[in-house]
Amino acid sequence: IAGITQAPTSQILAAGRRMTLRCTQDMRHNAMYWYRQDLGLGLRLIHYSNTAGTTGKGEVPDGYSVSRANTDDFPLTLASAVPSQTSVYFCASSAESSYNSPLHFGNGTRLTVT
Amino acid sequence: DQQVKQNSPSLSVQEGRISILNCDYTNSMFDYFLWYKKYPAEGPTFLISISSIKDKNEDGRFTVFLNKSAKHLSLHIVPSQPGDSAVYFCAAKVDYKLSFGAGTTVTVRA
Repeated sequence: IAGITQAPTSQILAAGRRMTLRCTQDMRHNAMYWYRQDLGLGLRLIHYSNTAGTTGKGEVPDGYSVSRANTDDFPLTLASAVPSQTSVYFCASSAESSYNSPLHFGNGTRLTVT
Repeated sequence: DQQVKQNSPSLSVQEGRISILNCDYTNSMFDYFLWYKKYPAEGPTFLISISSIKDKNEDGRFTVFLNKSAKHLSLHIVPSQPGDSAVYFCAAKVDYKLSFGAGTTVTVRA
């Protein structure tokens, strides 16, 4: 089934450790996004990529980095995790050939930083 | 500061009745609006959308209304069904970037 695969599903991480959340899509979408979901705040954009080789900062980029080496993969890295990064992380993609294309989301990664 | 606000964190409705979810926004540059539905342990899925040049869009049991002068949109679900129990996110778009509200949890009672 075409879609977005995120890994891991959940993770408990000690503060100060480095972590990479993986995201792969097989829909050949140009644009990809990382959001975090926190209670009472909805989904907030961390980083995005309009096409392979380019990335941009969203609303809450501090403490996170991304890369987009190819169309399919868009990993999110926490260089040194802090407890405030405890959240549910969603990767998404869209076919930016149309402005009105909706986002397709993965099932999320639940991250707990202790 | 959140540009998209859903002021009702939860809504309980009886099966068969209408569910009305509300959303307010502050950025007048938003030109496209969407509603997403989310079940536990799953990602949000697209439900319905509306362009800023329209004031209503209907898709089966779901209708979205847009009032640009009031910077307000709403989602009507009629009739509500048990499978509609989920979190609903309002989202608004400008320059290919999407801003989300905090979500409204809908519970449909049998």
